[in-house]
Amino acid sequence: KAGVTQTPRYLIKTRGQQVTLSCSPISGHRSVSWYQQTPGQGLQFLFEYFSETQRNKGNFPGRFSGRQFSNSRSEMNVSTLELGDSALYLCASSASTSGGSYEQYFGPGTRLTVT
Amino acid sequence: DQQVKQNSPSLSVQEGRISILNCDYTNSMFDYFLWYKKYPAEGPTFLISISSIKDKNEDGRFTVFLNKSAKHLSLHIVPSQPGDSAVYFCAASARGATNKLIFGTGTLLAVQP
Repeated sequence: KAGVTQTPRYLIKTRGQQVTLSCSPISGHRSVSWYQQTPGQGLQFLFEYFSETQRNKGNFPGRFSGRQFSNSRSEMNVSTLELGDSALYLCASSASTSGGSYEQYFGPGTRLTVT
Repeated sequence: DQQVKQNSPSLSVQEGRISILNCDYTNSMFDYFLWYKKYPAEGPTFLISISSIKDKNEDGRFTVFLNKSAKHLSLHIVPSQPGDSAVYFCAASARGATNKLIFGTGTLLAVQP
């Protein structure tokens, strides 16, 4: 089975611009979660999508948004980029449905640099 | 408020010996715990998990122990191998938000040949 894939792997943007990152989950996984990793804050949960609906949300400003498509692929968008948004953005998929605990499998991440 | 803590930023062990990585948590609502291994510029790799109804789970060289009364879990790697050198993160999730993982700050494990 193919793993979680993320595109692009690297991205350089300018302050004030917006960016869209893409994630394709493991086949059959319907839950997709997004995380941000920075040296100062570590790994932080952004949001989770399941069946095209946001199911959980972390503590990030509204500039961070996401969506999920009917094929479970997900995108996250960051608008009005700030220097502090420079980070590794990780996507994870899970076989979790409506209950029970399942491990999450992570993609390689997208390294976003804001200048 | 750091709900999941890994108090040792780094750990060095000799090849063949046991590596013990520790993790403490404060939120009593957490009921599922996971360990991930991570290399720089890559995504975390899932290692092992444990539900709060258990106190031990084993998978090959990896064993996770959970002490709910102390709100403490540990990962044992036996025997340690140089390829185990990486940053190890513990993570936890609560009932009703099972895919909202709260991560610790990580422990850098170095296994010396």
